Amino acid sequence: AQSVAQPEDQVNVAEGNPLTVKCTYSVSGNPYLFWYVQYPNRGLQFLLKYITGDNLVKGSYGFEAEFNKSQTSFHLKKPSALVSDSALYFCAVRDMGGGNKLTFGTGTQLKVEL
Amino acid sequence: AAGVIQSPRHLIKEKRETATLKCYPIPRHDTVYWYQQGPGQDPQFLISFYEKMQSDKGSIPDRFSAQQFSDYHSELNMSSLELGDSALYFCASDTFPRRETADTQYFGPGTRLTVL
Repeated sequence: AQSVAQPEDQVNVAEGNPLTVKCTYSVSGNPYLFWYVQYPNRGLQFLLKYITGDNLVKGSYGFEAEFNKSQTSFHLKKPSALVSDSALYFCAVRDMGGGNKLTFGTGTQLKVEL
Repeated sequence: AAGVIQSPRHLIKEKRETATLKCYPIPRHDTVYWYQQGPGQDPQFLISFYEKMQSDKGSIPDRFSAQQFSDYHSELNMSSLELGDSALYFCASDTFPRRETADTQYFGPGTRLTVL
């Protein structure tokens, strides 16, 4: 069975500093990886995805993610954090062998402080 | 751009009552997915439909059923509600993907169900 792990429940960073939210995956076959963000009482917003190609994927709102096959990781990054980036971030893997459902990690709460 | 529409946004029910949640996918999206997110938890897949046929089934209780209609909208029917069914229910949609790509699932704002 495929899975993703987010080892940090919460990440704190000062505004203007770079941020990293970690994600590791376990799949059989090629991984199809996604990052979503959830603001309080809101739905899940798509940030970016890795299917194939360049290991550095650029997404919305200045976010990017680095796919590392040898470390089975897909960490989310942003060079300069904003207070408005504070939210809950989910890494997900897509089941391409079956019904294409997403399996989510447990989520990482990002808090960006002034 | 049009997004996934879910109704109602909030729903309060008593134990043992029934509830119906509706989902309207993004235009031209033919696949709908339902997820349940309990308090402080990650979203869990319930069920999905493609072209009105169930395409996958996850941890959906037998008390729940769902279907997709000819206009691609979907309804999640929940009966004999329990306190533990209180959660945020998301619907997502995409187009049926080919293996060499993975279309993105776009999520609706969710329906917050509270069972008293």
